[in-house]
Amino acid sequence: GAVVSQHPSRVICKSGTSVKIECRSLDFQATTMFWYRQFPKQSLMLMATSNEGSKATYEQGVEKDKFLINHASLTLSTLTVTSAHPEDSSFYICSAPRGGSGYTFGSGTRLTVV
Amino acid sequence: GDSVTQMEGPVTLSEEAFLTINCTYTATGYPSLFWYVQYPGEGLQLLLKATKADDKGSNKGFEATYRKETTSFHLEKGSVQVSDSAVYFCALIFRGSGNTPLVFGKGTRLSVIA
Repeated sequence: GAVVSQHPSRVICKSGTSVKIECRSLDFQATTMFWYRQFPKQSLMLMATSNEGSKATYEQGVEKDKFLINHASLTLSTLTVTSAHPEDSSFYICSAPRGGSGYTFGSGTRLTVV
Repeated sequence: GDSVTQMEGPVTLSEEAFLTINCTYTATGYPSLFWYVQYPGEGLQLLLKATKADDKGSNKGFEATYRKETTSFHLEKGSVQVSDSAVYFCALIFRGSGNTPLVFGKGTRLSVIA
């Protein structure tokens, strides 16, 4: 149980276009979703925290106008990379806390901007 | 701020070899410590955890002991298998009010060859 489905798993897009990444909680309600980014040989870095029905909280240095996060329902959180550039190429992964010390992760999205 | 440092990979071992992946942390107070594993094409899964000093987490033959004096949580397995090939992440969290994101190390890729 407690699965987060993340799509797409891989995406290649052209510079200047936008890409939307979805994370759906399949069998539980995710009131909070953490969005992480990982560059090669780097840590998973927290980008932002989304809460259902309210504005996302972004970490320092993350452009909120570039990385649009929407958490409109208890089962869906989306991250849209707007006007993507090659430096946005990275691995993006979502995670939902499930109480206690449990976290469920999506399988990640490999974004390549060409 | 809080951080996790784990040994750089990739690590390549022969089947039945002994595995150690070092992990140290920097934090104020006493966090909970975790090891997560990511198999190819899948999301992160909790491997084991420890919530206080001297606790030993164990699962699937893997072990890690929370060492407060050395601020470490090294992952060990006595005899690795090909199926253990994955990326391993050390992580920490402080429990407070509300939902708190995990702080991750960079991850260590393990390849086990037959």
